[in-house]
Amino acid sequence: SQTIHQWPATLVQPVGSPLSLECTVEGTSNPNLYWYRQAAGRGLQLLFYSVGIGQISSEVPQNLSASRPQDRQFILSSKKLLLSDSGFYLCAWSYGGADTIYFGEGSWLTVV
Amino acid sequence: GQQVMQIPQYQHVQEGEDFTTYCNSSTTLSNIQWYKQRPGGHPVFLIQLVKSGEVKKQKRLTFQFGEAKKNSSLHITATQTTDVGTYFCAGPYSGAGSYQLTFGKGTKLSVIP
Repeated sequence: SQTIHQWPATLVQPVGSPLSLECTVEGTSNPNLYWYRQAAGRGLQLLFYSVGIGQISSEVPQNLSASRPQDRQFILSSKKLLLSDSGFYLCAWSYGGADTIYFGEGSWLTVV
Repeated sequence: GQQVMQIPQYQHVQEGEDFTTYCNSSTTLSNIQWYKQRPGGHPVFLIQLVKSGEVKKQKRLTFQFGEAKKNSSLHITATQTTDVGTYFCAGPYSGAGSYQLTFGKGTKLSVIP
């Protein structure tokens, strides 16, 4: 069966510090991978998606970047965090663009 | 812009009352999906509807897909405290040469015991 792992689960970072959130998927190959952000416990904002290694599409221009160094690994980064980067970050995967999306357990980021 | 409109944003019900959330798309959808996110948790897939006019049931939950495949609803009969959470609908939309699932903003359900 397929599983998705995301870490760290929670982190508190000072403004201006770097960020790295990592996500791996097991049990499938060549999945679509996604990073979402959820602020204030509400809507899901798609940040990045990837249909293959090295292929990243950005939905919202911002202080963040994503990379896919391996087929089942997706990384969300920032060089300098802003207070507005605080939120709940969710990694997710699907078989295809319109298919069911399976979410990781999420990472709570607080920028102080 | 937002292509999937979901209402209401919030709903507070007494335990035992019914609850309905509605989802409307600006365009015809090939399918619509529903997810549930418990407080502090991550969204979890509930169901997918594909056919025009389709109705599916999961215990006390009834999901409908409109005849025109542009709207959908989720109805919960006799809510329980375990139903608390945010319910999202999602539909596939074309963008940058590929289809991606776009989520509504969700309906947050509170159940008063």
